[in-house]
Amino acid sequence: DAGVTQSPTHLIKTRGQQVTLRCSPKSGHDTVSWYQQALGQGPQFIFQYYEEEERQRGNFPDRFSGHQFPNYSSELNVNALLLGDSALYLCASSLSGLIEKDEQYFGPGTRLTVT
Amino acid sequence: AQKITQTQPGMFVQEKEAVTLDCTYDTSDQSYGLFWYKQPSSGEMIFLIYQGSYDEQNATEGRYSLNFQKARKSANLVISASQLGDSAMYFCAMREGGGGGADGLTFGKGTHLIIQP
Repeated sequence: DAGVTQSPTHLIKTRGQQVTLRCSPKSGHDTVSWYQQALGQGPQFIFQYYEEEERQRGNFPDRFSGHQFPNYSSELNVNALLLGDSALYLCASSLSGLIEKDEQYFGPGTRLTVT
Repeated sequence: AQKITQTQPGMFVQEKEAVTLDCTYDTSDQSYGLFWYKQPSSGEMIFLIYQGSYDEQNATEGRYSLNFQKARKSANLVISASQLGDSAMYFCAMREGGGGGADGLTFGKGTHLIIQP
């Protein structure tokens, strides 16, 4: 049973460039959430995708956008990169409608460095 | 105001001792969920335990238990018989609202736990 996978593992970009990060959810899950974790901080919620639409969004600018595909995989796009975008980007998957534990399974993350 | 507060940036604990990691939360919702995650140096967030706001009993998962004090808005994680492999960052998180997988989590800043032999 494959867990949440993310690619790439590490990425180095230059300020002003654009980046795309990818996530495949755990088998059977239909909802994908993205989080940004700056060094020494807890993760911050960026947005969540369900049925190929953005369902909820955290306090992030429009430079952060996403997409969900029919197979439930997802992409996170960041435009006009800033030095402050350097962080670990975590993807989490869950099953919509699961009330009890409402557990989100996290992937290993993509470490983005902006120079 | 912070929604999740973890007041212990770092803790050193002797192996085999029990350890309590503190977490207080702030919400006006009646329905919410509280989570604890472990993050080793590899970076992956590992789910440990969950407590729903309407759960009357404290959650337990093996060596992990959650000391839920609703009136005090406190959700401390207790690890019994600590092991060297427990050394990691620990995050408390909250989901507000009705759940069903529809809400992002709000995390605290974490506690760095180091287990000493």
